[in-house]
Amino acid sequence: EDQVTQSPEALRLQEGESSSLNCSYTVSGLRGLFWYRQDPGKGPEFLFTLYSAGEEKEKERLKATLTKKESFLHITAPKPEDSATYLCAVLNSGGSNYKLTFGKGTLLTVNP
Amino acid sequence: GAVVSQHPSWVICKSGTSVKIECRSLDFQATTMFWYRQFPKQSLMLMATSNEGSKATYEQGVEKDKFLINHASLTLSTLTVTSAHPEDSSFYICSASHQGYEQYFGPGTRLTVT
Repeated sequence: EDQVTQSPEALRLQEGESSSLNCSYTVSGLRGLFWYRQDPGKGPEFLFTLYSAGEEKEKERLKATLTKKESFLHITAPKPEDSATYLCAVLNSGGSNYKLTFGKGTLLTVNP
Repeated sequence: GAVVSQHPSWVICKSGTSVKIECRSLDFQATTMFWYRQFPKQSLMLMATSNEGSKATYEQGVEKDKFLINHASLTLSTLTVTSAHPEDSSFYICSASHQGYEQYFGPGTRLTVT
């Protein structure tokens, strides 16, 4: 069974204080790893897809990296508007349905 | 691009009644749509997957007679919660995908059953 573990559960940063969120995964053949941002009472917003170890993607202050066992979401000089829950999900290579397995998320709070 | 809408955004209904939630892909044709539910401070739990014109595939433990899913077109899927009970109160979120692996999510529907 696919498993995704995100850490920490919650993270408080001061504005401008860079940090990283971790997503560890166990999957029977990784087809893709996905990062989403979710604001309270809203649906998840797609951020990145990573397909293979060594791959990196960037968007504004966010950078996602992938190894064979985990992914990191690096946040550089965060701003209060980056406060949200960040979700990681994996898609395995088996089966015909594109079923994502989600972690529980990291609640990020950036204080001004 | 890749915008998904849901309607209604919130609904309150009485126990025993049925509620229908719509999910639409606004600017793309969704070959596959997904329905999730999310409890407070919990992650998303997949309920079912549906392809246009086919019967939905339900996850283990999800009652298909209670949660009716119809995917009538490439831009519309509906979830009907039949004979709703207070334990069905939750945040229901749909997503849609087109050709790729990425799923694009709707804004969610908050269901409260009294």
